Amino acid sequence: GNSVTQMEGPVTLSEEAFLTINCTYTATGYPSLFWYVQYPGEGLQLLLKATKADDKGSNKGFEATYRKETTSFHLEKGSVQVSDSAVYFCALRRNTGFQKLVFGTGTRLLVSP
Amino acid sequence: EPEVTQTPSHQVTQMGQEVILRCVPISNHLYFYWYRQILGQKVEFLVSFYNNEISEKSEIFDDQFSVERPDGSNFTLKIRSTKLEDSAMYFCASGTTGTSNQPQHFGDGTRLSIL
Repeated sequence: GNSVTQMEGPVTLSEEAFLTINCTYTATGYPSLFWYVQYPGEGLQLLLKATKADDKGSNKGFEATYRKETTSFHLEKGSVQVSDSAVYFCALRRNTGFQKLVFGTGTRLLVSP
Repeated sequence: EPEVTQTPSHQVTQMGQEVILRCVPISNHLYFYWYRQILGQKVEFLVSFYNNEISEKSEIFDDQFSVERPDGSNFTLKIRSTKLEDSAMYFCASGTTGTSNQPQHFGDGTRLSIL
C-alpha cells in the first residue's frame, strides 16, 4: 500500500543552520507529494507541494524536490529561524480514486537562538 | 484568506456519550475530509465525503462514526458512543477538487478528551 517514512525527531538546530528532513515514500503510480507544518497549538498548514517527478516545491525559504528514482521528497532550508520550530509532516496523495492524504509520522524541529 | 473553521477547539466527554464535532469548510469547496491524530502519533485518514455521500472511509471509521452535511455550510463528525481510545485531535479538511495535485486545507482541529 501507500506509505510515507520520515526521519525521527526531534531535530535540534541553532538559528541559521541548514535543515534537512528526510522523507521517502512507497506508492503505486505517481502520487503528488506535500509537506505540511504544524506550529504549536495550531492545525496543519500546507507548506509546499510537488505533483510530478523532478518538480521542486518551495515556500518561505523551504524547498523539496520530487525524486522518483529514489522515491524521496526531502525538505531543506538554508538558514532556519527560531520561528520555524514546529512539527513537519510529509504526505502523499495518490492519483486514483478519492485521494486521501497519507501522512508520515511527523518530525519535530527545534531551533534555538 | 478563507479558512476551514472547527468548533469546539476542545471537547471533554464522558465515555459512552455521543459527541458531535463541527466544521465549516471553505465555501466553494466540494470535497470534505476528517482526519485524526492521537497524541504523539501520525495523522490518520478517517473519511472523505463528496456529493452528500461518503466516498471513502478507513477501517477506523466503524459503525460508531458518522458524517453529515446538514446544510450548505456545516460538515459534522458524530461519534455515537465514545471510547477512551477516541481521545485525539480531529482535523477537518476541504478541497476544491478530488484530484491529487490539489491540496487539502485543514482547520485548527478539535481536541477530544474522553474521560
